[in-house]
Amino acid sequence: DAKTTQPPSMDCAEGRAANLPCNHSTISGNEYVYWYRQIHSQGPQYIIHGLKNNETNEMASLIITEDRKSSTLILPHATLRDTAVYYCIVRVYGGNTTLVFGKGTRLSVIA
Amino acid sequence: DAGVIQSPRHEVTEMGQEVTLRCKPISGHDYLFWYRQTMMRGLELLIYFNNNVPIDDSGMPEDRFSAKMPNASFSTLKIQPSEPRDSAVYFCASTDRDRLHNSPLHFGNGTRLTVT
Repeated sequence: DAKTTQPPSMDCAEGRAANLPCNHSTISGNEYVYWYRQIHSQGPQYIIHGLKNNETNEMASLIITEDRKSSTLILPHATLRDTAVYYCIVRVYGGNTTLVFGKGTRLSVIA
Repeated sequence: DAGVIQSPRHEVTEMGQEVTLRCKPISGHDYLFWYRQTMMRGLELLIYFNNNVPIDDSGMPEDRFSAKMPNASFSTLKIQPSEPRDSAVYFCASTDRDRLHNSPLHFGNGTRLTVT
């Protein structure tokens, strides 16, 4: 699976949009971008995934660049409960591949 | 949907003792994963099962670790004998890996193991 690069930490003011970047310059055509987050003392939680089109669900939006070498997870109105470590993972769809977690970005939402 | 259930939530044991961690996956899920998380190494995949059969155990640290899945609703991770370096949070996760829609992994809240 392609490797990803994320900033180690970010701050965001409560109520503002949180934009979390991820670089995956070696991504291949059949690899999806997945985002998970881990709130303190809990297991990781799935957020969203996409291939090349932008995706949106009730939790977040995922913007993938046209060349697919980077993406941005957007939390439109961050709350204190969004404080967590966010993991960007690139993985081949289906098959027997598994999720390999990097170090992620620690997002702190500040009141 | 009760989610993935792990027990115990916390376990403190002395070096050399046997430790058994338990996991109940979400009903209907046919894949089960065991991960370990430490500050130094982050989240590491230990082993995963498909339809109760171990598929890849290359992440299991050594022979002291063993995992079983006797049926679709229960799995155990056993450490015997335990050592202080096994101290970590152990997560279980499951998914149904639908061929048409890539289902996400659902994680339990983990077991925090402390070996003294």
